[in-house]
Amino acid sequence: DAGVIQSPRHEVTEMGQEVTLRCKPISGHNSLFWYRQTMMRGLELLIYFNNNVPIDDSGMPEDRFSAKMPNASFSTLKIQPSEPRDSAVYFCASSSDTQARNQPQHFGDGTRLSIL
Amino acid sequence: AQTVTQSQPEMSVQEAETVTLSCTYDTSESNYYLFWYKQPPSRQMILVIRQEAYKQQNATENRFSVNFQKAAKSFSLKISDSQLGDTAMYFCAFRPGGGADGLTFGKGTHLIIQP
Repeated sequence: DAGVIQSPRHEVTEMGQEVTLRCKPISGHNSLFWYRQTMMRGLELLIYFNNNVPIDDSGMPEDRFSAKMPNASFSTLKIQPSEPRDSAVYFCASSSDTQARNQPQHFGDGTRLSIL
Repeated sequence: AQTVTQSQPEMSVQEAETVTLSCTYDTSESNYYLFWYKQPPSRQMILVIRQEAYKQQNATENRFSVNFQKAAKSFSLKISDSQLGDTAMYFCAFRPGGGADGLTFGKGTHLIIQP
């Protein structure tokens, strides 16, 4: 079975440009999460969706960040305009959850984003 | 809000030795899950082991086991017969039970297995 698929694996762009990161969750999973990893702050939850609906975006650092999940098999994280401090590894993860019980999150390979 | 603390930034042991990584957490939740994830240099996040708070029995997965002390809010990972491939960052993580909340991670422990 395919795992969580993220693209691109690496992205290098100049400050001010729009960046779009993509994620395909594991088929059948109903929860999707975006995390950011930096040396200074470690792994942080940015936003998560359940059944395609954004549940908690309190981790999104600024209005420059936005995320969408138009259907059960696709999500995007967009940064516009990008800044050098946005440089990080961005992970997408998915899991199969119910009100009573949740399952482990499976992570994609991440996107290493470098803003020059 | 919950917090997860890993007090050992780096550890180094010889191959075949046993090593224990520490993790403590703080929460007011009564139902929750705890995880250890491994991140090798390839940067993949690999689930190592999972513990459900309502289960008293400590989880084990082959060479990996945990010591879960709920009252002390402690969740340590023991790796037996360590191998060179165990070299990685190890992250302890917390997730409330039920619903679809995200993970709260510790800062990680860099484990180095020496030949």
